[in-house]
Amino acid sequence: DGGITQSPKYLFRKEGQNVTLSCEQNLNHDAMYWYRQDPGQGLRLIYYSQIVNDFQKGDIAEGYSVSREKKESFPLTVTSAQKNPTAFYLCASSINSLMNTEAFFGQGTRLTVV
Amino acid sequence: AQSVAQPEDQVNVAEGNPLTVKCTYSVSGNPYLFWYVQYPNRGLQFLLKYITGDNLVKGSYGFEAEFNKSQTSFHLKKPSALVSDSALYFCAVRDIGQAGTALIFGKGTTLSVSS
Repeated sequence: DGGITQSPKYLFRKEGQNVTLSCEQNLNHDAMYWYRQDPGQGLRLIYYSQIVNDFQKGDIAEGYSVSREKKESFPLTVTSAQKNPTAFYLCASSINSLMNTEAFFGQGTRLTVV
Repeated sequence: AQSVAQPEDQVNVAEGNPLTVKCTYSVSGNPYLFWYVQYPNRGLQFLLKYITGDNLVKGSYGFEAEFNKSQTSFHLKKPSALVSDSALYFCAVRDIGQAGTALIFGKGTTLSVSS
């Protein structure tokens, strides 16, 4: 996990509210990623960023937004448009986006809609 | 698009026995394959990767994986399982998107090691 900090660990959201999940890394990695984990479905890619000021939609980007204004930070906003936001969210980073590069993960944020 | 499949939702082994967690892949071009482990309510930990070269890759915590091109498989193995190996295991492959690449994961296999 080292060097990637996700906060908060637990987050509760009322329906209709936007919430922002924080992800910070001090590994000097260029690439960062957001995944959503649901039981039995593995990890699904929400957004990824190869470099500062650039990001791309993943497989399930609808209802989410991101920014990459600083190399070390890649916050994820879960908007009210996301129909079923309750899930475990994982942020990851890799030194670059080459094919042979592994990613390192934060400890995750568990979001619950109440 | 590249993809991986983990055909078993759960694998049960007794402590001290060898374990195998299966993964098959579908790629165009050279495969870049990875294994991760996840303990409850935690992030994923990197175990090992196959890039090129030897078909047997050694990784963390005594795990290894065997790459088989003809069977398009990348099975995770350990000669002697420990109760502490009980966790959720993910196989992954790098996929090329519109701009850059990202890891694409299988659905995971729960490994249960009994004492």
